[in-house]
Amino acid sequence: SYVLTQPPSVSVAPGQTARITCGGNNIGSKSVHWYQQKPGQAPVLVVYDDSDRPSGIPERFSGSNSGNTATLTISRVEAGDEADYYCQVWDSSSDHLFGGGTKLTVL
Amino acid sequence: QLQLQESGPGLVKPSETLSLTCTVSGGSISSSSYYWGWIRQPPGKGLEWIGSIYYSGSTYYNPSLKSRVTISVDTSKNQFSLKLSSVTAADTAVYYCVAQAVAGSLDYWGQGTLVTVSS
Repeated sequence: SYVLTQPPSVSVAPGQTARITCGGNNIGSKSVHWYQQKPGQAPVLVVYDDSDRPSGIPERFSGSNSGNTATLTISRVEAGDEADYYCQVWDSSSDHLFGGGTKLTVL
Repeated sequence: QLQLQESGPGLVKPSETLSLTCTVSGGSISSSSYYWGWIRQPPGKGLEWIGSIYYSGSTYYNPSLKSRVTISVDTSKNQFSLKLSSVTAADTAVYYCVAQAVAGSLDYWGQGTLVTVSS
């Protein structure tokens, strides 16, 4: 079965760039979506279809997807970006799959 | 702007059936733009897709839960529902209802409701 692999944690200083990866076999052929979840809250969609941003999501959030790795990039990281981040794919063969989640810590 | 709200019992006994309803506002559940689904998250763990339904009634279930899950839609009430049978403690989780775009992104989420399975 298809598996999405994320690093458990990523740490970054304020103002720097955070990159969170999502690995999967030939994931570049799928559409990848990213969610931000803060403690006690529901997840929020921050990037869809690999690199598009929903309205209201800052331009600091961007995505890319190629080969076996999709990446969520957060530029100029702020304290308020500290959260868990999940990647997700959906297609007829895998239904909905989520990565295990990455905890972003802002130092 | 769609809004989704889960409702149902917060405590279910082992071996019984968990039943939740999601009420959709700000749009029609008969829209062809969305599927309607359920996601759960055990305490301290990650997200798990349970299943989805289209307004036409077509359903898609997580293979690992398929034998115990039923999702239905009530267009007259603008609601959709989840039933999960034969629950165990492993089904204790926060349950979210979601609006899924046709391309697969989960665009709108309910606030979530904690369901505990315990006698």
